[in-house]
Amino acid sequence: SQQGEEDPQALSIQEGENATMNCSYKTSINNLQWYRQNSGRGLVHLILIRSNEREKHSGRLRVTLDTSKKSSSLLITASRAADTASYFCATDAGGNKLVFGAGTILRVKS
Amino acid sequence: DVKVTQSSRYLVKRTGEKVFLECVQDMDHENMFWYRQDPGLGLRLIYFSYDVKMKEKGDIPEGYSVSREKKERFSLILESASTNQTSMYLCASGLAGYNEQFFGPGTRLTVL
Repeated sequence: SQQGEEDPQALSIQEGENATMNCSYKTSINNLQWYRQNSGRGLVHLILIRSNEREKHSGRLRVTLDTSKKSSSLLITASRAADTASYFCATDAGGNKLVFGAGTILRVKS
Repeated sequence: DVKVTQSSRYLVKRTGEKVFLECVQDMDHENMFWYRQDPGLGLRLIYFSYDVKMKEKGDIPEGYSVSREKKERFSLILESASTNQTSMYLCASGLAGYNEQFFGPGTRLTVL
């Protein structure tokens, strides 16, 4: 069952611009994570935000979580061509399992 | 450095063949997972294992089985491959009690 849904499905921006991706989910969660996938490769964990946190930063990444709206956003500041990838949110479904969304494809043009 | 390896990057099989996909992790993780990834559908959990010889069905277990005889190795088996099993297969591992998962590079399987 797909819990997280990312928006937009695809995003194309110029290098140096900020990129914002959104994720909505349906049920209560313990935490929400964001992953990146470069073309044809495995996923890499970016950041985890717990249900009692509202905002978290890691380098050029900023994640927010609004549990009342069941939504999260990932902001990548000052984007680079190397940020071109697919980005997935994943929610904790209990029992160490994650439920992934369909992803946002980000293209950063140089 | 954390490492999850998968036996093949690309695999082509014929309908009806028995297919083995192998995953090995070197981090002593208790949990291991098999997903398939299809365009527009994201990752869907096929099976997972939280200990040696233990397994649980995920969201789409039909047509698949798994084996975990050793802690570091988790195998996905397609008993009789069908064309609708053409997909990218991703293996992941993680520590018990923690959600972060570490992924292998994926195996792109084509069933003709």
